Amino acid sequence: NAGVTQTPKFQVLKTGQSMTLQCAQDMNHNSMYWYRQDPGMGLRLIYYSASEGTTDKGEVPNGYNVSRLNKREFSLRLESAAPSQTSVYFCASSAWGDGQPQHFGDGTRLSIL
Amino acid sequence: TQLLEQSPQFLSIQEGENLTVYCNSSSVFSSLQWYRQEPGEGPVLLVTVVTGGEVKKLKRLTFQFGDARKDSSLHITAAQPGDTGLYLCAGTDSWGKFQFGAGTQVVVTP
Repeated sequence: NAGVTQTPKFQVLKTGQSMTLQCAQDMNHNSMYWYRQDPGMGLRLIYYSASEGTTDKGEVPNGYNVSRLNKREFSLRLESAAPSQTSVYFCASSAWGDGQPQHFGDGTRLSIL
Repeated sequence: TQLLEQSPQFLSIQEGENLTVYCNSSSVFSSLQWYRQEPGEGPVLLVTVVTGGEVKKLKRLTFQFGDARKDSSLHITAAQPGDTGLYLCAGTDSWGKFQFGAGTQVVVTP
């Protein structure tokens, strides 16, 4: 009964390092999302993929790239990490479209020193 | 800019008390969702409302969608410590823009 699985759960990086956050869903959903959550800011959309083969920018895409590897997997890459990217990152999926209920992973807590 | 404004930002109450949190916007929403997020976990969907004036109940939780579909409320009756969490509303406006509110942190103490 996995749902949405994110790896890693925790990560500490130095400024300038790169890393990829992984996300996989087993619900055969078409749409997938990456959010960041900061205190008092709620969830802000970084990138989304409405369906396999497509990706689009969200509200805060700068400094990030994504890859929709297949229907199950959607990864988020930080090419050159900055302290402002310290946050909790959530991956979510929905059957189709963002108006549908979204299912979330448990998040990746990322600290950039 | 925050499309959805949630209030209050923080609410601390004793077990057994009632509480209401609000989600407001100047935009009309085609649908609105409420989620609850517990520490260390992702948000979990509680309910979706789609019709103006709609009221949905989930045990001790009552959700209402405003007649004009610009606002929503969540009322918890006889709150329990297990209701502690961050309550988030999210919705799609008439322009197709989907956004989460900043959330209301609810703490229920025994």
